[in-house]
Amino acid sequence: RKEVEQDPGPFNVPEGATVAFNCTYSNSASQSFFWYRQDCRKEPKLLMSVYSSGNEDGRFTAQLNRASQYISLLIRDSKLSDSATYLCVVNNYSGGGADGLTFGKGTHLIIQP
Amino acid sequence: DTEVTQTPKHLVMGMTNKKSLKCEQHMGHRAMYWYKQKAKKPPELMFVYSYEKLSINESVPSRFSPECPNSSLLNLHLHALQPEDSALYLCASSQDRGIQYFGAGTRLSVL
Repeated sequence: RKEVEQDPGPFNVPEGATVAFNCTYSNSASQSFFWYRQDCRKEPKLLMSVYSSGNEDGRFTAQLNRASQYISLLIRDSKLSDSATYLCVVNNYSGGGADGLTFGKGTHLIIQP
Repeated sequence: DTEVTQTPKHLVMGMTNKKSLKCEQHMGHRAMYWYKQKAKKPPELMFVYSYEKLSINESVPSRFSPECPNSSLLNLHLHALQPEDSALYLCASSQDRGIQYFGAGTRLSVL
């Protein structure tokens, strides 16, 4: 199974700052890309899908660069509640049917008051 | 709140026990998944069911036995587990190749 790599952090960021995460994936045939958020001892929850055209949801902006096999997440005006682990996730759809997700190790974000 | 329900939330079992984890979804999703997550590690795929048929088994030991009785239910039968199998077991579902939604997980401890 191909890998997804991301900086594990932790990123310690003051409240209100802008923070950016990046990840790279190794399988050029990967088809779907996501950022999931996971709080301590909870399940991963979808934050947003990632598209080449870029997509924005409130304070969050995600971008995919297929040529560089690079995915980014930008969080503006960070809140204390943004503290979590952010997982970069890829779905390769090998075989054409449903396939499992490949997770990066996650980037731990701590927003400080 | 998640629409994928897992029971039990916590489970403690001995190495000679037989137990089952259950997962249920009523979103009409036709793909269901089991993942295992150790502390401070990302989830790792174990099994994929598509239209109630096992489509992917990521070389999981036979002491883990999945079962999909119908399109809404997914079980994971456990037998003769080892202490290193202690982990958070996550179930997910998706509409074919769509976004996967996770249950809250079962936190398993093997003594």
